[in-house]
Amino acid sequence: EAQVTQNPRYLITVTGKKLTVTCSQNMNHEYMSWYRQDPGLGLRQIYYSMNVEVTDKGDVPEGYKVSRKEKRNFPLILESPSPNQTSLYFCASGLYDRGLETQYFGPGTRLLVL
Amino acid sequence: SQQGEEDPQALSIQEGENATMNCSYKTSINNLQWYRQNSGRGLVHLILIRSNEREKHSGRLRVTLDTSKKSSSLLITASRAADTASYFCATDGSGGSNYKLTFGKGTLLTVNP
Repeated sequence: EAQVTQNPRYLITVTGKKLTVTCSQNMNHEYMSWYRQDPGLGLRQIYYSMNVEVTDKGDVPEGYKVSRKEKRNFPLILESPSPNQTSLYFCASGLYDRGLETQYFGPGTRLLVL
Repeated sequence: SQQGEEDPQALSIQEGENATMNCSYKTSINNLQWYRQNSGRGLVHLILIRSNEREKHSGRLRVTLDTSKKSSSLLITASRAADTASYFCATDGSGGSNYKLTFGKGTLLTVNP
């Protein structure tokens, strides 16, 4: 089954404790990205990756890191989480042809930073 | 600046009625997409329209694109209670980058049985 998986689905942590949210896709997509969703602000792109070892900042990259060492995986790293990073996070993957094509979203990771 | 802005923010209709949602954007685009999200869940792709297309249909969905006005509309015909969800438009080409996808804040559609 074609899918994007994220782990963990729910996470409660404390300020400053490094964490990683994993994202994996099985559709051989070059393009992967991370979003955060906050009430009243919609979805905002954090980082995206055009292919292995190619990443770039989205609209809200501060406080986040990513890596793309393999095509299927695109982890999101919070080196020192803060309460303002409490949010619902989505990973997505898709193709790029004549512009960004259909994006396939993971189920989301709900993060609470105390 | 916000690239995709949906209008209205919320819409409540009766089952069987049509629902129309609008999206405006500011910069030139390659593609415009519509997504649906059930409460707190992942987004599901509905339809993609390219900048050189004016109208597209998929089942009960009809999307139009007016690049001169930088706007799009999503029409859901003969709505059902199961259509209750948030609907987002998303555009690429935002801020000079073809690789960034920018979402609007969404329209919350409630279809009453």
